[in-house]
Amino acid sequence: GAGVSQSPSNKVTEKGKDVELRCDPISGHTALYWYRQSLGQGLEFLIYFQGNSAPDKSGLPSDRFSAERTGGSVSTLTIQRTQQEDSAVYLCASSLVAGGGTDTQYFGPGTRLTVL
Amino acid sequence: GNSVTQMEGPVTLSEEAFLTINCTYTATGYPSLFWYVQYPGEGLQLLLKATKADDKGSNKGFEATYRKETTSFHLEKGSVQVSDSAVYFCALSDQGSNYKLTFGKGTLLTVNP
Repeated sequence: GAGVSQSPSNKVTEKGKDVELRCDPISGHTALYWYRQSLGQGLEFLIYFQGNSAPDKSGLPSDRFSAERTGGSVSTLTIQRTQQEDSAVYLCASSLVAGGGTDTQYFGPGTRLTVL
Repeated sequence: GNSVTQMEGPVTLSEEAFLTINCTYTATGYPSLFWYVQYPGEGLQLLLKATKADDKGSNKGFEATYRKETTSFHLEKGSVQVSDSAVYFCALSDQGSNYKLTFGKGTLLTVNP
């Protein structure tokens, strides 16, 4: 079956612009996570969805970052007024449920964001 | 809070050499432990996992044993191949953190023929 997909694969934007990153999880997966991978900070958690609700937003670095999930499926991560330090690869992962490490998180290929 | 420390490398080995990548963790609860691998140009893939103390995860010739007494989950392979060249990430998750993954910084492995 289809895996986790993300779009766009690459995004180059100018400082101060808004960007939207999309994640299509595996069908039927109720848990969805966003992570960020950067050279300086490694892999960092951003936000967790269970269904359409986000019970854990603790990793969002500032109020310029927001995310939503609709229909228990597609999720969009929005970064407003982008800064150069936002440049990173944004990864989405989904799992059947969030449960005790018994449900593997499957990762998408990522969106590479470059802020000029 | 949770944290993972792994040897950062880079690690360069010859084909058929023995591999060990050390990983230790700090967690407030009873975490599950994972090794993820990122091959060049590809996404993160789960390599193996262990969900409780003394469990051994294994896959593709790689092994790691969950050692609660030493809070460790070292990755080993007896004979590496060129195709094992990748970045390896140790990670943990637990219920108290909504099962989000906490990653180590990654270890770049290069295997030469």
